[in-house]
Amino acid sequence: DQQVKQNSPSLSVQEGRISILNCDYTNSMFDYFLWYKKYPAEGPTFLISISSIKDKNEDGRFTVFLNKSAKHLSLHIVPSQPGDSAVYFCAASTGGSGGSNYKLTFGKGTLLTVNP
Amino acid sequence: DGGITQSPKYLFRKEGQNVTLSCEQNLNHDAMYWYRQDPGQGLRLIYYSQIVNDFQKGDIAEGYSVSREKKESFPLTVTSAQKNPTAFYLCASRAGNTGELFFGEGSRLTVL
Repeated sequence: DQQVKQNSPSLSVQEGRISILNCDYTNSMFDYFLWYKKYPAEGPTFLISISSIKDKNEDGRFTVFLNKSAKHLSLHIVPSQPGDSAVYFCAASTGGSGGSNYKLTFGKGTLLTVNP
Repeated sequence: DGGITQSPKYLFRKEGQNVTLSCEQNLNHDAMYWYRQDPGQGLRLIYYSQIVNDFQKGDIAEGYSVSREKKESFPLTVTSAQKNPTAFYLCASRAGNTGELFFGEGSRLTVL
């Protein structure tokens, strides 16, 4: 049973517009959420995270929103750039941002294509 | 520079052979992880280790083994018992009090 779901396998947007990537989770014990970006044949790189005590976290062009009641989070990229084209993974954990037995559960990813 | 080094980057093996993938980190991180990526499957956790000489099974540990004799090293052995070993393998590490995992470049294993 998949606990972290990214229901859109792909998303295409125009350069300069907003990209919105969505993620849903089923485990109500998840309390820390992260977004990773991945290029082909490379390891994922960390983008942004959010704790369940917040509903928004912003870092430059990247903003993550968390709706705990809906068990939903989203990543907004504004403005989108061609270099943002990659696979984006949503991940979640229990026990805060670093307790013992800490591990991340990942979604299947969404391929974002930003067209010039 | 500090980071995580996985080797080899590409590996071909015959069916039935055991294969060991190397993962070394010089970040002084306590925790290390092995994930597997298959097309359309995201990243699935194989094994993880919070400290030296201790490790736990992840969601898909069958057919794999690990060791953690040194803080810097967390090798993964893909045994002949693993039914579908062809995949992209990712090693990661984490500092003790943070939630962010740092990933290596990955190793692509192809079993012929």
